[in-house]
This record gives sequence, structure tokens and C-alpha cells, in this order.
Amino acid sequence: SQQGEEDPQALSIQEGENATMNCSYKTSINNLQWYRQNSGRGLVHLILIRSNEREKHSGRLRVTLDTSKKSSSLLITASRAADTASYFCATDRQGAQKLVFGQGTRLTINP
Amino acid sequence: EAGVAQSPRYKIIEKRQSVAFWCNPISGHATLYWYQQILGQGPKLLIQFQNNGVVDDSQLPKDRFSAERLKGVDSTLKIQPAKLEDSAVYLCASSFGGLSSYNEQFFGPGTRLTVL
Repeated sequence: SQQGEEDPQALSIQEGENATMNCSYKTSINNLQWYRQNSGRGLVHLILIRSNEREKHSGRLRVTLDTSKKSSSLLITASRAADTASYFCATDRQGAQKLVFGQGTRLTINP
Repeated sequence: EAGVAQSPRYKIIEKRQSVAFWCNPISGHATLYWYQQILGQGPKLLIQFQNNGVVDDSQLPKDRFSAERLKGVDSTLKIQPAKLEDSAVYLCASSFGGLSSYNEQFFGPGTRLTVL
């Protein structure tokens, strides 16, 4: 079963613009992680945010977590063509010791 | 540092045939995962090993899927017999240390299986 639901399912923007993707989940979590998947390849870990954190930065990435709303957002600033990929949130439910991935957001950066 | 290796990269079989996938995790990683990713969906965990013991196989269709992790290193995932709905990418991942979910998972390139 899918724990995280990403929104939107697909996003197309111009190079240089910011891209925002959202993730909602249903149960209490220990942490939430974001992964990127380029076409035909495996997933790459981007960032992890713990349940007691509200915001985290890594380079051009900014992740927020609102546990009261059970939602997270991933912001990519100053997008580049190389950011074209699918982005997945993955949640670790309390007591589960495993990640459950959402359906993903397909991001396209137009030159 | 070498990443997670998987083979083959692509496999086409007919339904009711058997198929096996191989995974070599990053050296020193205790935890190994097999995921199934159907087109347009996120990865779904099939089985999780801690060293050579199974931690979670609740979503593994045990009537046709089997997996083993020899000596706590390499792992194989087998499907016998395959069905059309098994067409997917099979991803192997590994992480360092114990069962802590704070460990980052490193993914291999996957094996794309097509069942005709």
C-alpha cells in the first residue's frame, strides 16, 4: 500500500524557475525522505527530514515537514535541465522499520 | 566506492517461465532490499534482509517469488512461474548498519522484466 501521495503527478516548468512538489501521508512517521529517479535508472537519495524537524536545506533543495497536517514539500530552486526526473517521497512509519514510497511526481524542465 | 550492482539489466520471458535476478550490495552494507516498481508507480518493498536473515517479506507473493541472501552478501530474487502482471523493474537497494530507518538506501540500476 502507498503511504505517501505526491502532488502534482506531473509538473512542467521553464529552466530557472522554482519547482515545488508536495507529499501527504496518513500515519505517524519517524522520518520522511525524498528520492530522485532519472529515466530508466535507480533511485538516488536526496534528503531526509526527521519528524521533529520542520525544515531542511541541501544545496538548491529545501524540504519542509508539517506533522500536524501530515505533509511535506520539496522545493527545487533555480531549476536546471538535469533536474528532469521523477521525485518520490518515502515515509518511515513509526514501528515499521521500512520505507513506503509514494507514486511520484514527474518533473520536466524545459530549456 | 562501487555502487549496488544488478544483473541482468533487461529480461524478456514468456508467461509461466522462470527468471532470476542477482544483486551485489555495497560492501559492508548489512541491509538489503528488493523492490518491485511497476510503470508509473513508486517502488514497493518485496523483501528486506538484515545480513542473511529475512526481516520483512510481507508483500512478497510467496507462491511464485523467492529470495535468498547467501552469506549475508549477494542476493538472488526468483520468479517461478512468471505472470504478465510481474512485468516491472526490480530494484535492489542496500544500506549500512542495522535496521535504523535513518540509514540512506542506495539503489542499483534495476532489472527491467517484460513478461509476454
